[in-house]
Amino acid sequence: IQMTQSPSTLSASVGDRVTITCRASQNIDSELAWYQQKPGKVPKVLIYKASSLESGVPSRFSGSASGTEFTLTISSLQPDDSATYYCQQYNSYPQAFGQGTKLEIK
Amino acid sequence: EVQLLESGGGLVQSGGSLRLSCAASGFTFSNFAMSWVRQAPGKGLEWVSALSAVTDSTYYIESVKGRFTISRDNSKNTLYLQMNNLRAEDTALYYCVKEYSYAYSRPDYWGQGTLVTVSS
Repeated sequence: IQMTQSPSTLSASVGDRVTITCRASQNIDSELAWYQQKPGKVPKVLIYKASSLESGVPSRFSGSASGTEFTLTISSLQPDDSATYYCQQYNSYPQAFGQGTKLEIK
Repeated sequence: EVQLLESGGGLVQSGGSLRLSCAASGFTFSNFAMSWVRQAPGKGLEWVSALSAVTDSTYYIESVKGRFTISRDNSKNTLYLQMNNLRAEDTALYYCVKEYSYAYSRPDYWGQGTLVTVSS
C-alpha cells in the first residue's frame, strides 16, 4: 500500500486553518495515524483510526476520512505547531508512511 | 510506564553487520507486536520490519528482505534486528516501536532510537 501525502511544505500564519492530505493506494479501513515530529525528537502520535484524538493532544487537531483520502486539520494554527507531519497506514504489513509535510509558521 | 531502550547502533563498513537490541519494560512484552522504523538523516520515516505476537510472524520492506532479521526473546523482554550486508542507504536512526495489539495495529510507543552509519 502506497501513501501519498500533500503538500510537502506548507507555510501559514498563526490562527490559520491548515489541512494536510494523505491518500492510500487501496482501502485501509481507516487504519491511519497522524504524527507530529519536531527536529531531533521522536514522532508524536496525534490521531489514530483516522479521527480518534490521542490523549493529551490539543483539540485544535482533528482527522477525517473519505474513502481512501484522509485529512489532518489544525483549526487554529499555533506557533508550537511548527513541525513535520506524517501519516501512516497500519492496516496491513508492510506498514507505510507518507512522505511528510513540513509546516512553517509565517 | 512503557519504556523502549534501543542499543547496538554504530559505524560499520558497507557489507558489514550489526545487531540492534530494544529492551522493553512497563508492559507484557510477549503480548504485543513490535516494529522497527528508521529515518535517514534529513529524510522521512520508513517502516522497516515487524514481528507479531502469538504467531511470531515476521514482515519486512522489500529493500531489506534477505539481509535483515527481526526476532524477539520474550524471556528477556528484548526485540532484535540483525542487519547483514549493510549498505550506505541503510544509514539511519532506527526506532523500536511497540504496537497497540498482537498484530496489524497502530504504534503507540516509540523508543529514542539508535543511530546506524554505514560507510562506503
